[in-house]
Amino acid sequence: KAGVTQTPRYLIKTRGQQVTLSCSPISGHRSVSWYQQTPGQGLQFLFEYFSETQRNKGNFPGRFSGRQFSNSRSEMNVSTLELGDSALYLCASSLEEGINEQFFGPGTRLTVL
Amino acid sequence: AQKVTQAQTEISVVEKEDVTLDCVYETRDTTYYLFWYKQPPSGELVFLIRRNSFDEQNEISGRYSWNFQKSTSSFNFTITASQVVDSAVYFCALSELGWAAGNKLTFGGGTRVLVKP
Repeated sequence: KAGVTQTPRYLIKTRGQQVTLSCSPISGHRSVSWYQQTPGQGLQFLFEYFSETQRNKGNFPGRFSGRQFSNSRSEMNVSTLELGDSALYLCASSLEEGINEQFFGPGTRLTVL
Repeated sequence: AQKVTQAQTEISVVEKEDVTLDCVYETRDTTYYLFWYKQPPSGELVFLIRRNSFDEQNEISGRYSWNFQKSTSSFNFTITASQVVDSAVYFCALSELGWAAGNKLTFGGGTRVLVKP
């Protein structure tokens, strides 16, 4: 069974640009969560989507947004990039609602210059 | 608000030594789940264990064992007879229950374990 895939794996952008990251969950998984990992702030929850609905959202500015498609694939978008947005963005999928084991993807390393 | 604290930022041991990672959590919920994840240099988080707040039994899985003590809000993790392949960053995490909470994980800061040959 294929794991969680994230594209692209690496990305370099400049301040002010916007970026879209993609996550394909494990087949059959309907929940997709996004996390930001930085050396200073650690791992922080961005948002979770379940059956195309945002179920929960972390404390991030409105520049961070996401969506989920009917096939459970998810995208997150960051507009007006700032230097502080440089991070590893991790996507996780799980089978159903409720507290389940989450399977993480390899992440997208975003560098903002 | 939930909080997870991993006081040890880095632990260095020699192969075959035991290593214990501390995790202390704070939550106002009476029901919750606790997790441990491993992050090797490749970056992908690997699930190790999930424990719900009703179950305080210790658990052993191979060289890994976990000690959950609700009275002290701690969920410690021990690697017995460490190996070089255990070198990674280990994260403790907490999750509420309930549909709205979903699968949101609150992570600790992580403990980097370096096992030297």
